[in-house]
Amino acid sequence: SAVISQKPSRDICQRGTSLTIQCQVDSQVTMMFWYRQQPGQSLTLIATANQGSEATYESGFVIDKFPISRPNLTFSTLTVSNMSPEDSSIYLCSVLGGRGADTQYFGPGTRLTVL
Amino acid sequence: ELKVEQNPLFLSMQEGKNYTIYCNYSTTSDRLYWYRQDPGKSLESLFVLLSNGAVKQEGRLMASLDTKARLSTLHITAAVHDLSATYFCAGQGGSEKLVFGKGTKLTVNP
Repeated sequence: SAVISQKPSRDICQRGTSLTIQCQVDSQVTMMFWYRQQPGQSLTLIATANQGSEATYESGFVIDKFPISRPNLTFSTLTVSNMSPEDSSIYLCSVLGGRGADTQYFGPGTRLTVL
Repeated sequence: ELKVEQNPLFLSMQEGKNYTIYCNYSTTSDRLYWYRQDPGKSLESLFVLLSNGAVKQEGRLMASLDTKARLSTLHITAAVHDLSATYFCAGQGGSEKLVFGKGTKLTVNP
């Protein structure tokens, strides 16, 4: 299976600031995704990170709030901009393709608290 | 638009008992996934079901898929405390995107 790391693992941020989360995979993968899991809730897809082009956002999520980069087939970043307490969540990247190509694997997540 | 419903959302059971978690989905799903999440942890992939009639087993967990009924089940046999976790099913919509159910929080009591 793909080995996925995320940085930071957790952070506490002030309202109005921004945080960039990194996702690194140990092999080239076809697709990378960013999900959000609000406290006690299920997972919701934010966007698909496209290599070399703009991310594809789901309804309710916009590029200005959640800019995403994917410069190559093993790395992506998600920025949570102008944060508010409602952004407090776990943010997870997932990958499809590469080793273990028949399933989607999830990174360890970034636990974000906004004060 | 794919929608996924799980039930029950909460399940408390005694060790040694059997139970089934149900996952219904609304439209065609290319694949059906089951994940486990322990408190404060990420998601661990349990099963991916690819076709009608697919059945996969790992230890005390068995997952099946009926695409005609748009139903997947996760059956727990002779539960043990270590199985306590939240279990999610997810269908795969277009462009490989996953749509998750709300999750089933399983508590296995001694």
